[in-house]
Amino acid sequence: QLHLQESGPGLVRPSETLSLTCSVSGGSIRSNGYHWGWFRQPPGEGLQWIGSLYYTGTPYYMPSLKSRVTISGDTSKNQFSLRLYSVTDADTAVYYCATFTDHFLRFDPWGQGTLVTVSS
Amino acid sequence: EVVMTQSPLSLPVSLGQPASISCRSSQSLVSSDGNTYLDWFHQRPGQSPRRLIHKVSDRDSGVPDRFSGSGSGTDFTLEISRVEAEDVGVYYCMQGTHWPEITFGPGTKVDIK
Repeated sequence: QLHLQESGPGLVRPSETLSLTCSVSGGSIRSNGYHWGWFRQPPGEGLQWIGSLYYTGTPYYMPSLKSRVTISGDTSKNQFSLRLYSVTDADTAVYYCATFTDHFLRFDPWGQGTLVTVSS
Repeated sequence: EVVMTQSPLSLPVSLGQPASISCRSSQSLVSSDGNTYLDWFHQRPGQSPRRLIHKVSDRDSGVPDRFSGSGSGTDFTLEISRVEAEDVGVYYCMQGTHWPEITFGPGTKVDIK
């Protein structure tokens, strides 16, 4: 059974880079038809998709964040990572990793989420 | 960007009573393949989201049959036939039709009167 777990610093300074990793167990990030995604939820607010990494290694990004985001995979560690550049306090949020398949036939599981605070 | 709206944003419900949440999209969610990729998620307080319904009306595995989805085009509805205590939390609609863009509605908070 697939299990996803986020890890990374809980505090990032303004203008710096937020870096998170999602470790995947119970399956491979090279599994045919799977997308490996990052989502976030600012405190008290709703969900936002940041971007996803397709099993082929192709990334897809939310247009409004595209200029500041890189999502990449490490098949040797079965992990995928998020880098968000030039952060501001608006990037303070709980960050989730999750997986879904082509045409969203499956959309689980989600990681437990990790709070990242942007503050000096 | 496809904008998703929901109403109401807050929904107090008595146990055992029905509940209905509306979701609207700024563009049609009918895909070129004929499917409509409109999903519903539930997020309990302090937990990660869990999907309940995909493609408008297909329940995910393990989802109780008191949850049902309907709609077409730009207007969609999630219904809970008889609300139970475990149903509290926030419900989000999400569109995937306009991939590679995924957008969520603002959420509807359901609590018990």
